[in-house]
Amino acid sequence: AQSVTQLDSQVPVFEEAPVELRCNYSSSVSVYLFWYVQYPNQGLQLLLKYLSGSTLVKGINGFEAEFNKSQTSFHLRKPSVHISDTAEYFCARIQGGSEKLVFGKGTKLTVNP
Amino acid sequence: NAGVTQTPKFQVLKTGQSMTLQCAQDMNHEYMSWYRQDPGMGLRLIHYSVGAGITDQGEVPNGYNVSRSTTEDFPLRLLSAAPSQTSVYFCASSQLDGYEQYFGPGTRLTVT
Repeated sequence: AQSVTQLDSQVPVFEEAPVELRCNYSSSVSVYLFWYVQYPNQGLQLLLKYLSGSTLVKGINGFEAEFNKSQTSFHLRKPSVHISDTAEYFCARIQGGSEKLVFGKGTKLTVNP
Repeated sequence: NAGVTQTPKFQVLKTGQSMTLQCAQDMNHEYMSWYRQDPGMGLRLIHYSVGAGITDQGEVPNGYNVSRSTTEDFPLRLLSAAPSQTSVYFCASSQLDGYEQYFGPGTRLTVT
């Protein structure tokens, strides 16, 4: 079955520090990967997506992710975080030919001053 | 464009009551879906639709019904609410093969 595993449920960091949120997916011939962000009491917003092409994907708010097929990973990174990045981040996948999103369980990022 | 709208924002039900969560989108998207979000569980797909008149079950469909009579609307019905259905419900839409799903603001449902 398709699955997405987010390896950390909570990640605390200090402001201006780098951060990496880890995501692994179960191997598949064709997979599309996404990172969504959810700010407190809000809906989900797309940060970035990998459909094909360059394995380094740049998204909004200075985030980027790297698709690694051999490691079946799609880790999210930001070189310097801000207080406003405090939110829950979800990794998700779609099997090629389907619209059904499968989500990981989420990682809560807390940026401390 | 309003995007994806959901009503109500909050709802409290007693066990056994029924209700409909409303979802509408004004982007002419063919694909619409309902998710529930529970702490530590991420979002789980309840039902989805690839167009008017076409619906299918997701990962956790039990206790929920849907219909899609128009492209714009995709209501979610709870026929007999149970405390296990206490959750936050999100509706989303996208173009077919567009892959970027747009989410509504959510409905927080409590069943006592």
